[in-house]
Amino acid sequence: DAGVIQSPRHEVTEMGQEVTLRCKPISGHDYLFWYRQTMMRGLELLIYFNNNVPIDDSGMPEDRFSAKMPNASFSTLKIQPSEPRDSAVYFCASRVLTNEKLFFGSGTQLSVL
Amino acid sequence: DAKTTQPTSMDCAEGRAANLPCNHSTISGNEYVYWYRQIHSQGPQYIIHGLKNNETNEMASLIITEDRKSSTLILPHATLRDTAVYYCIVSRGTGANSKLTFGKGITLSVRP
Repeated sequence: DAGVIQSPRHEVTEMGQEVTLRCKPISGHDYLFWYRQTMMRGLELLIYFNNNVPIDDSGMPEDRFSAKMPNASFSTLKIQPSEPRDSAVYFCASRVLTNEKLFFGSGTQLSVL
Repeated sequence: DAKTTQPTSMDCAEGRAANLPCNHSTISGNEYVYWYRQIHSQGPQYIIHGLKNNETNEMASLIITEDRKSSTLILPHATLRDTAVYYCIVSRGTGANSKLTFGKGITLSVRP
C-alpha cells in the first residue's frame, strides 16, 4: 500500500481564494483525521470521520473551513475564503477501528499571502 | 483523555541510549500510553504503545511505572536519524470516538 496520500504537497494562494486539500486514506481504514500544524499551536485535530461520517468537528476553527468524505477512499478539506492565518501544514491520517496505529500522510504546506 | 507533561528538549550522543520521560499523573485505568515521533517536515510516525506492562519493538522500549503515572521511551542506540520531536499521548485507544490529541512533544537532538 502506498500509505496515506495527500495533495497538493505545497499550495500558495492569495487571501480570499478558495483552497481545497485532498486526502486518500489507506484502503480498508475506517477512520480519517484532519490535523493542522503551526509553530504557535502545534498539531491540532480539526475533524475526523468514521465510515465517511463526520464524528467530531469541534476542532474546525470557523465556518470558513469545511470537510467532506464522499466515499471511503477520498476526503477534502476546503477553506473559503482563505486568510493568511490559515497558513500551516495540514495532515491527513487514517486508521482501522481495531488498530490504534494512526498513519499520517506527508502533509500539505499551505501559504496564504 | 488525560494530559501529559514532557520536557521541552533533550539531547544525547549518537550510539548511546536516549531516555525520554513523560508524566501522565491523571491517567485512567482504560487509557493507553502512545508514543509518536515527527521528523522534520514529515507526518508523525507511530513508535510504540502500552497499557501497564513494559513493551518493546524494533524501534524502542516503553517502560511504564507501576502506578502508571509516568513512562519512559527508550531508544537503545540513538542515531542521527532519531533527531525528531517525540510525542507522548494518553488515549483510550481503539474503538469508536477514540482520537489522539498531540501536545508540544519533546525535541530530541542526537549529536555526533
